[in-house]
Amino acid sequence: DAGVIQSPRHEVTEMGQEVTLRCKPISGHDYLFWYRQTMMRGLELLIYFNNNVPIDDSGMPEDRFSAKMPNASFSTLKIQPSEPRDSAVYFCASSLASGGGQGVPSNQPQHFGDGTRLSIL
Amino acid sequence: KNQVEQSPQSLIILEGKNCTLQCNYTVSPFSNLRWYKQDTGRGPVSLTIMTFSENTKSNGRYTATLDADTKQSSLHITASQLSDSASYICVVPGAGFQKLVFGTGTRLLVSP
Repeated sequence: DAGVIQSPRHEVTEMGQEVTLRCKPISGHDYLFWYRQTMMRGLELLIYFNNNVPIDDSGMPEDRFSAKMPNASFSTLKIQPSEPRDSAVYFCASSLASGGGQGVPSNQPQHFGDGTRLSIL
Repeated sequence: KNQVEQSPQSLIILEGKNCTLQCNYTVSPFSNLRWYKQDTGRGPVSLTIMTFSENTKSNGRYTATLDADTKQSSLHITASQLSDSASYICVVPGAGFQKLVFGTGTRLLVSP
């Protein structure tokens, strides 16, 4: 299996520009997660989807951030307009469902991509 | 507040030596506890997932323990190798069980 694939691996852009990060989850996985990792705050969940439907976006920092999952094999995280404080490593992860549905503890691991290192100048 | 704390923050050991990393959590209700390994420049990779009924679980040279009463876990690495140099992150599912609460990690350096 190819694992979770993210693109681009690195992105450097100027403040105010639109940034789009892309993710292809592992085929057959039901959940998709977007995380942000910084030295100060560690890993933070931004949003997650179940069967392409956004379930919890309470971690999305501002309206400048948006995420979509148009189909089971593709998701995007968009920042518009970007700011220097958005600089971080953004990870996408996917996992199988536990079989018990929402609210049931899942013992399935989340599989992470290798991230997009974003630098906003 | 759901929290996961890890110690030490960083650790340097000689190749071939053993080490133990600690994790304390206050997440409730508890479902399971996970240890992830994150190499520099890579995404985290799952090492183990332990439910409340499991006290010990091994994955090669990695052995995780869990004490659900004291809400503590440890990750023991035996006969360390240079490739063990990485950050080790303790993770516990929080609200809704899909939202993971991450510790800040222990950065391990194995020196030749």
